[in-house]
Amino acid sequence: DSGVTQTPKHLITATGQRVTLRCSPRSGDLSVYWYQQSLDQGLQFLIQYYNGEERAKGNILERFSAQQFPDLHSELNLSSLELGDSALYFCASSGSFGTGELFFGEGSRLTVL
Amino acid sequence: AQSVTQLGSHVSVSEGALVLLRCNYSSSVPPYLFWYVQYPNQGLQLLLKYTSAATLVKGINGFEAEFKKSETSFHLTKPSAHMSDAAEYFCAVTSNTGGFKTIFGAGTRLFVKA
Repeated sequence: DSGVTQTPKHLITATGQRVTLRCSPRSGDLSVYWYQQSLDQGLQFLIQYYNGEERAKGNILERFSAQQFPDLHSELNLSSLELGDSALYFCASSGSFGTGELFFGEGSRLTVL
Repeated sequence: AQSVTQLGSHVSVSEGALVLLRCNYSSSVPPYLFWYVQYPNQGLQLLLKYTSAATLVKGINGFEAEFKKSETSFHLTKPSAHMSDAAEYFCAVTSNTGGFKTIFGAGTRLFVKA
């Protein structure tokens, strides 16, 4: 158990819809990262937050947005969903003074029909 | 910019044989390097990490990796494969340039034959 909790574990929705994925980082970790894993794209970095502030941005679509709340949990919002958004979405956290080591949740599997 | 290349999307070995998973990286600053493992229906977990101390790094489950700066490589090895090693392995590079941004390789799926 990594200590990172993601909900929901599975989500099935239709094209055009909007979903929210939630992540609670390990106790004490200030950084949260979101990754998308798909068969054709591999593991893609989406975005990083540190103590509520956006810190780094990767290949995140404009239809996607994220935020980190004062209690350090984070949400990834995916809107106007397309079939190609079907993927595993991982959240990871890391400590403030670590060496970049990431602790991953078990992921949220999104299926868009 | 950082990048990671894993040679071979699939590697198959016999139980008891040597495991060698290849990883080459590029980074404009001294990197932190990692190997993560992903078992089916699970998140990634850390196998080992290189953070500029010893170049030969030992990890969990008998795995180790050697950092070779001249070759920009960080290959993962295990002397004797076990059936339970069957999983997907990811090499990753992180540099502390405006936050710890970690880039992953495409992954190598390891199959272990009885």
